[in-house]
Order: sequence, then structure tokens, then C-alpha cells
Amino acid sequence: DSGVTQTPKHLITATGQRVTLRCSPRSGDLSVYWYQQSLDQGLQFLIQYYNGEERAKGNILERFSAQQFPDLHSELNLSSLELGDSALYFCASSVGGAGGYTFGSGTRLTVV
Amino acid sequence: DAKTTQPPSMDCAEGRAANLPCNHSTISGNEYVYWYRQIHSQGPQYIIHGLKNNETNEMASLIITEDRKSSTLILPHATLRDTAVYYCIVRLPHGGSQGNLIFGKGTKLSVKP
Repeated sequence: DSGVTQTPKHLITATGQRVTLRCSPRSGDLSVYWYQQSLDQGLQFLIQYYNGEERAKGNILERFSAQQFPDLHSELNLSSLELGDSALYFCASSVGGAGGYTFGSGTRLTVV
Repeated sequence: DAKTTQPPSMDCAEGRAANLPCNHSTISGNEYVYWYRQIHSQGPQYIIHGLKNNETNEMASLIITEDRKSSTLILPHATLRDTAVYYCIVRLPHGGSQGNLIFGKGTKLSVKP
């Protein structure tokens, strides 16, 4: 157990639907990061939050949004889902600075 | 875009040292070198990081050349469980748009009995 908790582990939904992925960071970590990993794209950085505020954006689609709550957990919302959104979605957390990131075990999203 | 170059794949015999190279010729003075690995669809696992000095922990050693343009991750006694994709990443320590982990394609290390 890495200390970063992601739920659900698996999610199957239909095209056009909306889903919410949840991440609880490791205790004491203020930063949360979201990554998408599909077969043909590798690990893609989506977005970072630090203590409730958006800090950096990567290759995140406009149909996707995220937020970090006062208790530091984060949610990634994916809407108008397409087949191509099928992927593993990883959350990571860090205390900040030069330290490493701790990743969760991911949510596998399948859009049918 | 990833700022590192790694061989796409490597093999290593079980029990031998695995030496994984990484080129980062455009690294800036305050960027760190990080190594992560990903075992078959699990979340990436942090291994080690360094700025300019060699580093060692319970998992591996990191050797950074004096000019900092390349580094080598050493797994001293590879086991079958070390079979994974290994990612070498350079990043600034302060986060923000320039300081996030940007993953390249990595090196697929296969440890063989």
C-alpha cells in the first residue's frame, strides 16, 4: 500500500456519460497530480493541485476537470466520454520540493 | 516532451547488476534526475533521485556524470521482480508548470532466470 488511495479500481461506462474518479493523497502531502495512461500514449500528465489550488496543467482535455478539497482529497471529472478515453488514470501525491511522487494503484476506465 | 533518452529495452540475468543508462544532455543546473519504474500497469514507483552527487538507497544506486549530461541507474542484484519499465526524468524541484514529472517511453528491463 503506497498510501495514495484511488477509487474505484475499475469503471465501465458508456460513451457520452460522465464519471468521477477519487484520490486520497498520502498523509501530509499537499500536492496531488493526475496522469492518464493509454496504450498508445504512455503516461500523460493531466493536472496538479497544491493545497486546494490548481498549480499546473498538462494535456488535459476541456471535457475533463479536477478539484482538490479542503481535506486534500481530489476528484477528476470526465464528461462526454469517448471510446478513446479508455485508459488507466493514476493519481500521485507529494509533499513538494525535490521529493519523489507516490502513486496510487490507478483507476481503469473502460468506455464502451 | 521528455528531456531524456533511454534505450527502449534491455535484458539482464537474474542475480547480476542491471545498469540502465539515460542521456539528458540539455539538463539545466537546478534540475534533478529522477528514476521511477512501473511494473505491468501498477502505479509508477519512485526509486531514487539526485542532483549531481551519486546517490544510493536500499533499492538502487544512481551515478551522475560530472557534466550531468547522463546518468546510470544500477540495480545491484536484479531479480525477476525487477522486470519493469524504468523511467528517467529530469525536473525542477519546485513544481509548477516546469516542475512536474513528464514521462517518456522508458526502458523495458527484462530480468531472465
